[in-house]
Formats: sequence, C-alpha cells, structure tokens
Amino acid sequence: KQEVTQIPAALSVPEGENLVLNCSFTDSAIYNLQWFRQDPGKGLTSLLLIQSSQREQTSGRLNASLDKSSGRSTLYIAASQPGDSATYLCAVTTSGGYNKLIFGAGTRLAVHP
Amino acid sequence: DGGITQSPKYLFRKEGQNVTLSCEQNLNHDAMYWYRQDPGQGLRLIYYSQIVNDFQKGDIAEGYSVSREKKESFPLTVTSAQKNPTAFYLCASSPQGVRGYTFGSGTRLTVV
Repeated sequence: KQEVTQIPAALSVPEGENLVLNCSFTDSAIYNLQWFRQDPGKGLTSLLLIQSSQREQTSGRLNASLDKSSGRSTLYIAASQPGDSATYLCAVTTSGGYNKLIFGAGTRLAVHP
Repeated sequence: DGGITQSPKYLFRKEGQNVTLSCEQNLNHDAMYWYRQDPGQGLRLIYYSQIVNDFQKGDIAEGYSVSREKKESFPLTVTSAQKNPTAFYLCASSPQGVRGYTFGSGTRLTVV
C-alpha cells in the first residue's frame, strides 16, 4: 500500500531564506508526483507536476525534484517571502486503473518578516 | 475562466440529517473526485468517477453516496450513516489519462 510522508510537519523561517520541503513515498511505481499549496480554509492550488520520467520541474522560485528509485521528492523554495506562508502538500499518482492521488499530511510553512 | 465550483462554502448538519454538497466543473474533464480532509491529515478519497453514470468507492466511502448524471456535476451526499462527518470536503477533476488535478475551494461541514 502506497504511503506518502512529509517532513517536517511544520516550519517557521525568517523572510529571505531558501527552503527545502521533503516528501517520501513507499512504492516507486508511480505515474507522477504533484506539489500543491493550500491556504487556510481554502482549496488546493497545483504548483508543480513531475511526470515519472522527469527528474525536476521549475516554476519561478519553486523547484521540485523527483528520485523515483529512492522514493523521494523535494520542493525547493528560493528567497522565501511572507506570502509563501501556507501548507504544502505532496501527492503521488499510483499505477492502476485510474488517476488516484495519495497525499501526504503536508508541511505547514510560516515565513515571518 | 474554467474551474470547479463547490457550494455551499459552509454547511451545518443536524444529527440524523442527510446533506448534499455540490460540485460543478466547466473544464470538460472526464474524471471527478471527492476528498475529505481532517485537521493535520492528508486528503482521503471518498468516491471517484471516470465517466458519466459510473463511479467507484474510494478508501472511506461508508456513509457517503454520489451520482454522476452529467459530465459537469458530481454531487456528494453525506448520509446519517456517516458517524463523524465534520470535516473539510474537496472536489477535484482531471482530464482522462494520468494528468494533474484541479481542485475546488472546498465545503466545510459541521455537525450541530
């Protein structure tokens, strides 16, 4: 059974720091991995989608890497800003008959001025 | 703009009452999903549907029911059989094949 773990559960940093959020999964047979952002009481916003054949994806100050063989992904946030404060969720799409996402519990990030 | 609309944003349910959460999408996506989110936990799949008039149970389907009569709509009913329904409910959709999801803004259900 696929399980997704995110470390750390919470992180508080001063503005301007470069951050690394970690995601690990137990079954390397995935189709893709997606990082989402969730603001309090809101839905999820997709940040980056990495296909299983890819090693990384970049969008602005965000960079996500994928190492399928070791079951790991990292989300790198450069030059963090207070507006980056949110919960970041990692999810993998499993192999099988349909496009099922399995989520980690998330990393709650607070960036203070 | 294309997207997913969930309503209502907040919903209160009395003990023993059935309530229905609405989810509508105009993205022309084939697949739709319902997830439940509890504090400090990841999202858990309740039901999903890949095509009209077909849907499958997810990991925590007990106490819930769905219908998919139109491609655009995938309502979720929380029945009185669901003993702990207080949670944040998220609807999502995706194109056919293995691609990224789009999520709605959620409905917060509280039992009073």
